[in-house]
Amino acid sequence: ETGVTQSPTHLIKTRGQQVTLRCSSQSGHNTVSWYQQALGQGPQFIFQYYREEENGRGNFPPRFSGLQFPNYSSELNVNALELDDSALYLCASSPGTASGANVLTFGAGSRLTVL
Amino acid sequence: ILNVEQSPQSLHVQEGDSTNFTCSFPSSNFYALHWYRWETAKSPEALFVMTLNGDEKKKGRISATLNTKEGYSYLYIKGSQPEDSATYLCAFYGGATNKLIFGTGTLLAVQP
Repeated sequence: ETGVTQSPTHLIKTRGQQVTLRCSSQSGHNTVSWYQQALGQGPQFIFQYYREEENGRGNFPPRFSGLQFPNYSSELNVNALELDDSALYLCASSPGTASGANVLTFGAGSRLTVL
Repeated sequence: ILNVEQSPQSLHVQEGDSTNFTCSFPSSNFYALHWYRWETAKSPEALFVMTLNGDEKKKGRISATLNTKEGYSYLYIKGSQPEDSATYLCAFYGGATNKLIFGTGTLLAVQP
């Protein structure tokens, strides 16, 4: 079975630009969640998608948005980039219903630098 | 604001030493506690998910315990090896929040 793959692995943007990060979930998983890890912090929950619907959101502004596609892959979009958006963005997939007891399978992350 | 604390922040041990670290989390509305192992330049990898007070789980030389009433979990590594060097993350899932809240991790370095 394939794991979770994320693209791009690294990218550099400037303030005010927009970015799209992509994630392919593990085969058989229908739930995808996104996390932001800033330097020195643990991963912070951005939002979660289950069967193409957002079903949970963390404390992130509306310029952070996402999509989940019929094949359960997902995108994270960030508009009007700010310097503080520089971070590692992790995608994780899990099987079944969106339950907190499901093990997450993570991708290796997309490192975003905003200049 | 719900907080998940991990201690110590970092730990340096010699090969063969046994070690343990702590994860503290809110004791109310508990649903699940996760442990992940994250090697540099790789993906975080699941170790355990525990849901019941008193749970003890083991995977090779690594084991974990859970106390939901007092809000803590211990992760133990017996006979540490250099390949155990990684950041160990715990995450709390509470019924009121419907989201995983991660700690900042414990960075373990095992010297050969």
